[in-house]
Amino acid sequence: KAGVTQTPRYLIKTRGQQVTLSCSPISGHRSVSWYQQTPGQGLQFLFEYFSETQRNKGNFPGRFSGRQFSNSRSEMNVSTLELGDSALYLCASSSAGANVLTFGAGSRLTVL
Amino acid sequence: AQSVTQLDSQVPVFEEAPVELRCNYSSSVSVYLFWYVQYPNQGLQLLLKYLSGSTLVESINGFEAEFNKSQTSFHLRKPSVHISDTAEYFCAVTETGANNLFFGTGTRLTVIP
Repeated sequence: KAGVTQTPRYLIKTRGQQVTLSCSPISGHRSVSWYQQTPGQGLQFLFEYFSETQRNKGNFPGRFSGRQFSNSRSEMNVSTLELGDSALYLCASSSAGANVLTFGAGSRLTVL
Repeated sequence: AQSVTQLDSQVPVFEEAPVELRCNYSSSVSVYLFWYVQYPNQGLQLLLKYLSGSTLVESINGFEAEFNKSQTSFHLRKPSVHISDTAEYFCAVTETGANNLFFGTGTRLTVIP
C-alpha cells in the first residue's frame, strides 16, 4: 500500500509569489490534514479536509488555503509569500473515524 | 484547546542505557495521545498511541508510554536504546474524535556509542 505522497519535495520561491503543494493520501483515506513545521514555531495545524469539505482550521492567515478533490487528493496554496513562510509543510491522511494520522515526507519551501 | 509540554529539548544517552522522554498535556476534555518520531529530512512516523483501554501502550521497537490521567502525562520510555533510535520525538494530543493534533516542541534524542 503506497504511503502519503507529497509533491514537490523541495522548492524555492521569492517573496510575493504564490505556491501550490500537492498531497495524495493513502488509498481509501478520506481525511487529509496539513501542518507547518518551522524551527521557531514547531509543528502547527493548518487545516483538515474530509470528503472535499474543510472540517477544521488552525490559526493561520487567509493567505493559506486548501482544497480537496473527489479522489481525496488535496492541495494547499500560499499566496503573497513571506520570508516567514519558509517551512516544511507536512500532509497527513487518515481513514474515517480512525484518529491516527499517517504523514508524508513533506514539502520543504524556502522563500527568498 | 489542548497543549503539550516537552520539557527536555535534548536528551543525550549512552547506547544500551534506559531513557525517558517526558510529555505533559493540558486539556479540559477527553484526549487521545500520540508519540511520533522524525528522522532527518523525513516526515513524522507514528511510534505509539493511546486512544482508550490499557494505559500502558507499546511499540514494536521496544518503546512504551503510560497514560497517567491524574498527572496529565504520557512519558515515553525504552529500557535499552540503540544508535538507530537517534531522532527527534514529538508528543501530540488531540480531543477525542478529532484529527487536529497539538504537538509539543520535540525532544532530540541522541544515542552515544
